[in-house]
Amino acid sequence: EAGVTQFPSHSVIEKGQTVTLRCDPISGHDNLYWYRRVMGKEIKFLLHFVKESKQDESGMPNNRFLAERTGGTYSTLKVQPAELEDSGVYFCASSLRTESTDTQYFGPGTRLTVL
Amino acid sequence: RKEVEQDPGPFNVPEGATVAFNCTYSNSASQSFFWYRQDCRKEPKLLMSVYSSGNEDGRFTAQLNRASQYISLLIRDSKLSDSATYLCVVSVYGNNRLAFGKGNQVVVIP
Repeated sequence: EAGVTQFPSHSVIEKGQTVTLRCDPISGHDNLYWYRRVMGKEIKFLLHFVKESKQDESGMPNNRFLAERTGGTYSTLKVQPAELEDSGVYFCASSLRTESTDTQYFGPGTRLTVL
Repeated sequence: RKEVEQDPGPFNVPEGATVAFNCTYSNSASQSFFWYRQDCRKEPKLLMSVYSSGNEDGRFTAQLNRASQYISLLIRDSKLSDSATYLCVVSVYGNNRLAFGKGNQVVVIP
């Protein structure tokens, strides 16, 4: 069974540009999460989709970040315009059930560098 | 105050030795507890869930102390392949958001 996939694996952009990250969850997983790890800090939650609906977006840092999951399958996370502090590794995860005990499976991450 | 506190280490462990570390969490409403393993430049992977009564999976033993709000992980008979960062992770009841510690970096030395 394929795991969570993310694209691209790396992205280097200049401040002010736009970047779109993509996540494909494990097939059949209704729950999709975005997390971010900024250098030197712990992994932090950004938001949680249940199918196409945003269940919890309390971790989104500001309105420069837009996450979508049209059709309830893959998700995109757009950063526009990107700032230097947005650099980090963006992880996507998915889980089958909407229970806090359910295992979240993580993708390999997208390493974003904003210059 | 951070939601999950861990001493990042590194913990340099001779091969075959036992290593133990723990983390503390701040939210008393935390309900689910996990240890994830993360290899260098890779994604976190679930190592084990942590149950109130404590649980064991091969050479790994996890303990939970709700009264003191800490979770521990013990690795026996360390292998070179155990070298990784071990992330303490909690979630609050009714909320799927995972809160991570910075991780304990373990280096097993031949």
